[in-house]
Formats: sequence, structure tokens, C-alpha cells
Amino acid sequence: ELKVEQNPLFLSMQEGKNYTIYCNYSTTSDRLYWYRQDPGKSLESLFVLLSNGAVKQEGRLMASLDTKARLSTLHITAAVHDLSATYFCAVNPTGTASKLTFGTGTRLQVTL
Amino acid sequence: GAVVSQHPSWVICKSGTSVKIECRSLDFQATTMFWYRQFPKQSLMLMATSNEGSKATYEQGVEKDKFLINHASLTLSTLTVTSAHPEDSSFYICSARDPKGSSNQPQHFGDGTRLSIL
Repeated sequence: ELKVEQNPLFLSMQEGKNYTIYCNYSTTSDRLYWYRQDPGKSLESLFVLLSNGAVKQEGRLMASLDTKARLSTLHITAAVHDLSATYFCAVNPTGTASKLTFGTGTRLQVTL
Repeated sequence: GAVVSQHPSWVICKSGTSVKIECRSLDFQATTMFWYRQFPKQSLMLMATSNEGSKATYEQGVEKDKFLINHASLTLSTLTVTSAHPEDSSFYICSARDPKGSSNQPQHFGDGTRLSIL
């Protein structure tokens, strides 16, 4: 059974601080996606990581992928309140077309 | 960009009634659509994969007779929750795959439907 686990599940951090969210998955996958979800809303695509060693950055967020370790990270730099949301990684296992398995989610709360 | 419209966005109904949720791809033809359920403070759980012109593929533990999925056209899939009960209350999200799209966006997500059963 494919497992996609995120750590931590909940994160409260002050504005200006840095932190990393981890996403571990248990099967072979060449593609990993990060999404953001605001309360009561659907998903917003953040990053697409398509190969080993891929690194993508957008604003204060940076995502990376290590397919050998089956690990992806989402690094937050100098957090601001607007980043408060729930973040999900999702894995597209090899050979399953576009089927996605979502991680457990990390609820991020950035305090002033 | 590709847009997926989901309707209704919120529905409240009495226990025992059936509720239909629509998912439309507005500017592309979706041969495959997906239905997810999300309970409060939990992740998205795939319920079923809907393929145009054929029967849906349900995930383990999802009742086929309770959650009826119809994908009658390339732009519309419907999820009907039959004889809904309070435990069916959840946030339901559909997504659609654009076969001509890139791997950058394997699925385009609808805005979700919040279902509350009293």
C-alpha cells in the first residue's frame, strides 16, 4: 500500500522564521506535486517536481525532490502570515497515469 | 488555463435524500475525472476514477451503490450520494485530466462541494 507521509502535521511559526516540511513516500515515483489549500477552498498548485534533484522556487517557498530517498521538502524562508494554509504533497506513482496519492497534509500557522 | 467547474458549492439536505454533484471541464475534454472526499482536518482521499463511456473504478472501501458516478460525456461527470446520512457529510472535490495537457498539471481541480447532511 502506498503511503505518503508529511512531517510535521501541524506547524506554528513566527513571521520571519524559516522551516522545512518533509514529504516521504513509499513507492517509486518520478513526479511529485505540492499544493496549497486555504480553509474551505480547493487546491492550488504550487510546484511540480519531475525528476530527481529537481528544485523549484517561488517567492518564499522552495521545493526539492530526491527520488532515491523518496523524499521531497518544502522550505519556507522568512515566513509571512499570508503563507498560513494547509500544504499537501502528492505522488504520481510510476505506471499509474495521472492518479495522485496525497500526503497527510501540514497545517501551517504563521503568527505575527 | 484549464478550468474545472463544480456545482453546487454547498448543499445542506435531510438524511435519506440523494444529492448530485456535477463536475465539468470547461475548456478541454476530460477522458478521466477523479472524485475525492476530504473530512475536516484530513487529507484528500480518492474515491473513484471516472472514465468517459465506461464504468468508474472505485477505490477499496468505497461503496459503489452509495456513490454513483456517471461520466456520460467528455466534459461532465456526476457523483450522486444516494440515501445520504450524516456520516456522508464531507467536502467533495472533483478533478479532471486533460489528455492534451502537460505532466505539469496531471489534474485540474474543481472548487469543491461542501455537503452537510442533517
